[in-house]
Amino acid sequence: DTGVSQDPRHKITKRGQNVTFRCDPISEHNRLYWYRQTLGQGPEFLTYFQNEAQLEKSRLLSDRFSAERPKGSFSTLEIQRTEQGDSAMYLCASSLEGIGNTEAFFGQGTRLTVV
Amino acid sequence: AQSVTQLDSHVSVSEGTPVLLRCNYSSSYSPSLFWYVQHPNKGLQLLLKYTSAATLVKGINGFEAEFKKSETSFHLTKPSAHMSDAAEYFCVVSAPYGGSQGNLIFGKGTKLSVKP
Repeated sequence: DTGVSQDPRHKITKRGQNVTFRCDPISEHNRLYWYRQTLGQGPEFLTYFQNEAQLEKSRLLSDRFSAERPKGSFSTLEIQRTEQGDSAMYLCASSLEGIGNTEAFFGQGTRLTVV
Repeated sequence: AQSVTQLDSHVSVSEGTPVLLRCNYSSSYSPSLFWYVQHPNKGLQLLLKYTSAATLVKGINGFEAEFKKSETSFHLTKPSAHMSDAAEYFCVVSAPYGGSQGNLIFGKGTKLSVKP
């Protein structure tokens, strides 16, 4: 399968613990996005990378959140000192930069539950 | 700044009847617009996209959408609903060429129910 893959698919953690999620985009895509989706809502933008550069961050991305894409391929999203409000589906998407090439392909997401 | 408004949070139709899911957008650029579908426990799937070519866009599974600049609308339609169309649908706007934002802005979603 050459789509976007995310790992793990599900994560249950205790409040205050740190968690890290991984996203492997489609190999030739140089844009990678992270979104958060809570129950009954549309996905909300968190951050995006063009190659290894993090170009934009949402105000939703508090200082407990950090994202990296060290070699311009896979990306990780870390949440430190998790809170119950962090419980959500975390979605990763990738796209090919270029005129009209803004179609994004989404992974199936990592569902985080903070207890 | 870009935004989208999905005018209905829930639409219910009978199988075999037409589907209309409404979306209005706001954009300071010439927008790229998309409709995505999300089935339960599945990833988001692109239905169709508008990127300043033909204003009537045909997508997968018989869906189509018409870009109307004068009305700032991008409504999604299908002539005849099928039970398998029951899902959540998201209208999405993006700034082409990156602009100052390289992200996708999602609407809050419209849940489509299809009655037998």
